[in-house]
Amino acid sequence: GDSVTQMEGPVTLSEEAFLTINCTYTATGYPSLFWYVQYPGEGLQLLLKATKADDKGSNKGFEATYRKETTSFHLEKGSVQVSDSAVYFCALSDRGTGGFKTIFGAGTRLFVKA
Amino acid sequence: DTAVSQTPKYLVTQMGNDKSIKCEQNLGHDTMYWYKQDSKKFLKIMFSYNNKELIINETVPNRFSPKSPDKAHLNLHINSLELGDSAVYFCASSQEAYSGANVLTFGAGSRLTVL
Repeated sequence: GDSVTQMEGPVTLSEEAFLTINCTYTATGYPSLFWYVQYPGEGLQLLLKATKADDKGSNKGFEATYRKETTSFHLEKGSVQVSDSAVYFCALSDRGTGGFKTIFGAGTRLFVKA
Repeated sequence: DTAVSQTPKYLVTQMGNDKSIKCEQNLGHDTMYWYKQDSKKFLKIMFSYNNKELIINETVPNRFSPKSPDKAHLNLHINSLELGDSAVYFCASSQEAYSGANVLTFGAGSRLTVL
């Protein structure tokens, strides 16, 4: 079945450091890929998405490129802020028997220190 | 105005009890979901409804019964609660069920603690 694997956390960085969170996937079809972010005490919210190979999703300084050849969708940000501290989830949406299903990775917690 | 709202936010109850969680969305979306997030933050889909019709039913114990009275509402009833049911339950919605580019909009979650 489909699955998403992302790097284990927590990841601890100083403000203005470069961020990479690795994500790889396996899918039977041709999925769309997403990054969601969860701030403490809140539900997940979409950060960015890409729907086909070589697409780059970007939002709030975060970027990720859909790499079909390596089945990856790594999240990057050039300079993190304390306010970026949250849990980041990589996800894919692929066709199942009952319609499209979104499957999430285990989440990576990011701490950014001032 | 909250797009996806769930009640209650917190629920503490004894083993063996029955409880319900309610969810409402005002986005005009056709599809709604229940996800379970465990203590390690792992998020797993439980059910999905499209226009009141159940379309995804993962391997979930029969003690869990979803109900969708209309496409804006999806409730989750849990019978005979067990310790392992303790988790945060998230309701989500999407515009429709049959597009891979669907973005999920989540509620704030309902934290269930079974003692």
